[in-house]
Amino acid sequence: AQTVTQSQPEMSVQEAETVTLSCTYDTSESDYYLFWYKQPPSRQMILVIRQEAYKQQNATENRFSVNFQKAAKSFSLKISDSQLGDAAMYFCAYRSFNSGYALNFGKGTSLLVTP
Amino acid sequence: NAGVTQTPKFQVLKTGQSMTLQCAQDMNHNSMYWYRQDPGMGLRLIYYSASEGTTDKGEVPNGYNVSRLNKREFSLRLESAAPSQTSVYFCASYLVAEAFFGQGTRLTVV
Repeated sequence: AQTVTQSQPEMSVQEAETVTLSCTYDTSESDYYLFWYKQPPSRQMILVIRQEAYKQQNATENRFSVNFQKAAKSFSLKISDSQLGDAAMYFCAYRSFNSGYALNFGKGTSLLVTP
Repeated sequence: NAGVTQTPKFQVLKTGQSMTLQCAQDMNHNSMYWYRQDPGMGLRLIYYSASEGTTDKGEVPNGYNVSRLNKREFSLRLESAAPSQTSVYFCASYLVAEAFFGQGTRLTVV
């Protein structure tokens, strides 16, 4: 099974600043999806951003962008102009085209946003 | 527009009791999944159903059974609950490039 590693259990950022969350993954496949999910204290799973492996262009959604390095198997999330509402647990996830298309999650990074 | 609905949201069980977690989706998705979330572990796949009538084990299937009742519903059963099954459980259904999650069930086994 593919493994997803988030090496930062906790991160902190000041309001209005930029923070980058790291994610690496291990796979032998060439086609797959990568995701970042946000989980606030309500425990709802919210899709932040998605990247298709065949696309070289990095995905962007408003203040959220990724740095996708396919050869290095790296998929980091950059949050610009951080807001208090960004405080949450963030999960990186990999979706194979095999194994029933299940998502493989990293262990998560807890993001604290300070005023 | 309900999406994925899980019931119950909270449950406390005694060791050895059984229960079924219900999940239903109204988006006509073929694939449905059950995950458990434990502190520091992320979400781990318990079972999945790639299509109606099929089910397969995920990473942590021991102690659980599932039923894909129809295309909409995918239930998770604990036959004899153990304290190690204390967790938050999520049901999800997938379109190709996006997963939709239920609100989760916090289960405590005492």
